Amino acid sequence: QQQVKQSPQSLIVQKGGISIINCAYENTAFDYFPWYQQFPGKGPALLIAIRPDVSEKKEGRFTISFNKSAKQFSLHIMDSQPGDSATYFCAAPNNAGNMLTFGGGTRLMVKP
Amino acid sequence: DTGVSQDPRHKITKRGQNVTFRCDPISEHNRLYWYRQTLGQGPEFLTYFQNEAQLEKSRLLSDRFSAERPKGSFSTLEIQRTEQGDSAMYLCASSPDGGLRFYEQYFGPGTRLTVT
Repeated sequence: QQQVKQSPQSLIVQKGGISIINCAYENTAFDYFPWYQQFPGKGPALLIAIRPDVSEKKEGRFTISFNKSAKQFSLHIMDSQPGDSATYFCAAPNNAGNMLTFGGGTRLMVKP
Repeated sequence: DTGVSQDPRHKITKRGQNVTFRCDPISEHNRLYWYRQTLGQGPEFLTYFQNEAQLEKSRLLSDRFSAERPKGSFSTLEIQRTEQGDSAMYLCASSPDGGLRFYEQYFGPGTRLTVT
């Protein structure tokens, strides 16, 4: 059974700062790790994902870093903006590769 | 571009009543998932369909829950004899088939269920 541990639970960052959210997983046969962003009253939206052949992926201000040996991956938000204030979830496939297990979420608040 | 839609968006029901939710996935997506999300938690997997076949069910899905996807298009999730512990947001997601794209799940806005 896959478990995904996400930290911190909440994060407050000043506008322009760097937000860092970490995730650790237990087991997976499939190295594909997505991050989702969720605003209040909305469903989660796929933000960025990393595939097995790279250790880092960058899309705009968002970067995923992946450490396979440590079974950890992290999301970095550069130049954080108030509009980034949301809850972020990491996810990992289970061993069978037929479902995603989500972390508990990180509530990010970016202060202007 | 139409995303995943869910209906209704909100449902208030009395304990013991039955409720049914509908999900319309992105039209070209073969896979459809149901999740439950409680306040302050991440989505918890309930079940998923590949076309019309229900391939996996979580142990969270008690006998009171049933899901269908007739003809591989829209899906319904029914909860019978609702309990207060069923109060949650029920999320539907869909994804394309083929390799790692399976994990690119697109979520609907959810149905918030309140059982009084």
